[in-house]
Order: sequence, then structure tokens, then C-alpha cells
Amino acid sequence: GESVGLHLPTLSVQEGDNSIINCAYSNSASDYFIWYKQESGKGPQFIIDIRSNMDKRQGQRVTVLLNKTVKHLSLQIAATQPGDSAVYFCAESRRGNMLTFGGGTRLMVKP
Amino acid sequence: NAGVTQTPKFQVLKTGQSMTLQCAQDMNHNSMYWYRQDPGMGLRLIYYSASEGTTDKGEVPNGYNVSRLNKREFSLRLESAAPSQTSVYFCASSGTGGSSPLHFGNGTRLTVT
Repeated sequence: GESVGLHLPTLSVQEGDNSIINCAYSNSASDYFIWYKQESGKGPQFIIDIRSNMDKRQGQRVTVLLNKTVKHLSLQIAATQPGDSAVYFCAESRRGNMLTFGGGTRLMVKP
Repeated sequence: NAGVTQTPKFQVLKTGQSMTLQCAQDMNHNSMYWYRQDPGMGLRLIYYSASEGTTDKGEVPNGYNVSRLNKREFSLRLESAAPSQTSVYFCASSGTGGSSPLHFGNGTRLTVT
């Protein structure tokens, strides 16, 4: 069925290293993708988005890459900091804002 | 700006009790949403309101009702709570004009015993 999923449920990185969080999606009709960060006890916080007519988009310390050929999405965080520790969700949309969320992956940053 | 505000933050109900979860946004967004988040299940859409005066079912609407009271407020009601509705509930809002990010509140943690 149609789904959005993540390869790694937990990712542990050293402070200062770069982090890469991956996400696979199965619906080739998806045209909008978002990454969210969720800290404990809080709601998901928007990080960055990308539309299907792009393959890369950069923000502050974050980059999202979209590979439509293999239906793969990744979030790269440069110089990972302790404050980046959280659960990260990818989500995809096929018709406006009806987002389908993946199960999330936990990023742990070691000092 | 407060963004999206949800009340209450925590609630414990007995099976069969009813309650309403409140949500308000101050970003002048047209669209509002209710999601539930369960361990290992990610976020699932319960109901949404594309604009004031309209509501539609999402992925898991059974056992819930919603009211779009005005442009700012979107409430979620549990008429007869069940243990399966124990979850964290998130309200979100977004603008219009195609795909745009959802802005979430900080959630209501509901336990039904």
C-alpha cells in the first residue's frame, strides 16, 4: 500500500558530525514532502520542505534531497548539535495538505 | 504570536465519559486539522477543515466529531471515550494556495481508563 517509512528508527551521532536521516515513500504521485522535528513533550516543528519539481533544497544547517527515481528522501544536518536530538518525521502529500507521516526516527547526539 | 494553542494539556477520562479538546490558531490560516499520535503509528489524521464552515473525515474519524467554530477555532469531541482513544492529540493549521507546511500545537495527552 501507499506508505512513507524510515530506514533507521534510531540514529546516534557524535556532536559536530553530519547526520543523515533517510525516508522512503511508495507513491510516485506524491508531490510535496516535509521534514518535521519533534522534541519530547512538544508538537512537530517544521524544518524544511521540498516539492517534486526539485531535487535539493537547503536551509540553515539542513539540506533535503529528493530522489524521485528511487522514491527516496533524506535530511542532512550539518555539524549536529545536542539541540538537534529529537525524533524526525518525514511526510508526503498527494493532494494539497493531506499529509501522510512516516513512523519517525530518533536522532541522539553524543557530546 | 502564540501560533496554535491546545487545551487542556493533559486529561484522564473514564470509559464512556465525554470531553472536548480545544484548539485555536492566531495565524489567520484557513485550514485546520486534528491528528492523533500513537507509539509506532506515527501521526494519523482524524478530521480536517479546509476552510471555515467545512469539515471532512481523515484516516481515523470513528469515535470523534469536530466543529469549526470560526476561522480561529477547531474543536474535537469524544462523545463516549474508549481506552483505544488513549493517545496524544495534535491540532495543526496551514495556509492555502497549494501545499504548505502544517503548524502544530503542543498536544493534549489523553488517557482513557
